[in-house]
Amino acid sequence: GDSVTQMEGPVTLSEEAFLTINCTYTATGYPSLFWYVQYPGEGLQLLLKATKADDKGSNKGFEATYRKETTSFHLEKGSVQVSDSAVYFCALSDQTGGYQKVTFGTGTKLQVIP
Amino acid sequence: GAGVSQSPRYKVAKRGQDVALRCDPISGHVSLFWYQQALGQGPEFLTYFQNEAQLDKSGLPSDRFFAERPEGSVSTLKIQRTQQEDSAVYLCASRGQGGGTEAFFGQGTRLTVV
Repeated sequence: GDSVTQMEGPVTLSEEAFLTINCTYTATGYPSLFWYVQYPGEGLQLLLKATKADDKGSNKGFEATYRKETTSFHLEKGSVQVSDSAVYFCALSDQTGGYQKVTFGTGTKLQVIP
Repeated sequence: GAGVSQSPRYKVAKRGQDVALRCDPISGHVSLFWYQQALGQGPEFLTYFQNEAQLDKSGLPSDRFFAERPEGSVSTLKIQRTQQEDSAVYLCASRGQGGGTEAFFGQGTRLTVV
């Protein structure tokens, strides 16, 4: 079945540091890929997405490129802020059993210190 | 409101008690998902509805868990004879048509079984 593997956290960075959170996936079909973010005390929010190979999703300074050859969708940001502290989830949506099922990774907690 | 609404936000149940969790999806969204998120983990799929039809319930952990969406809009997740291991955040998500379409999540119901 489909699965998503992302790096374990927590990841602790100083403000303005470069961020990479690795994500790889296994899928039977040709999935769409997503990054969701969960800020403390809040629900899951879509951060960015990519629907086909070589697409780059971007939002709020975050970027991720759909790499079909390496089955990866790594999240990057050039300069993190304290307000980026949250849990980040990589996810995929794939056709299975007649519908598009969304599968999540286990999440990576990011802590940004001033 | 325009988002996915879940109620109650918090529920404390005594072991053995039955609980019912409600989800109001975004109006017009055909697809509805329920997920279970244990502390420090990613959301785990429970069940999926397309309109009123429950197309996939493979993620329900036991026959104590039951979900319905009788009119294709509001959904209820019921847990009978709750156990401590049922303690988790239960997330509902709805989604429009299309494979690359994002799922919109509610804020979840935090269930604590004591």
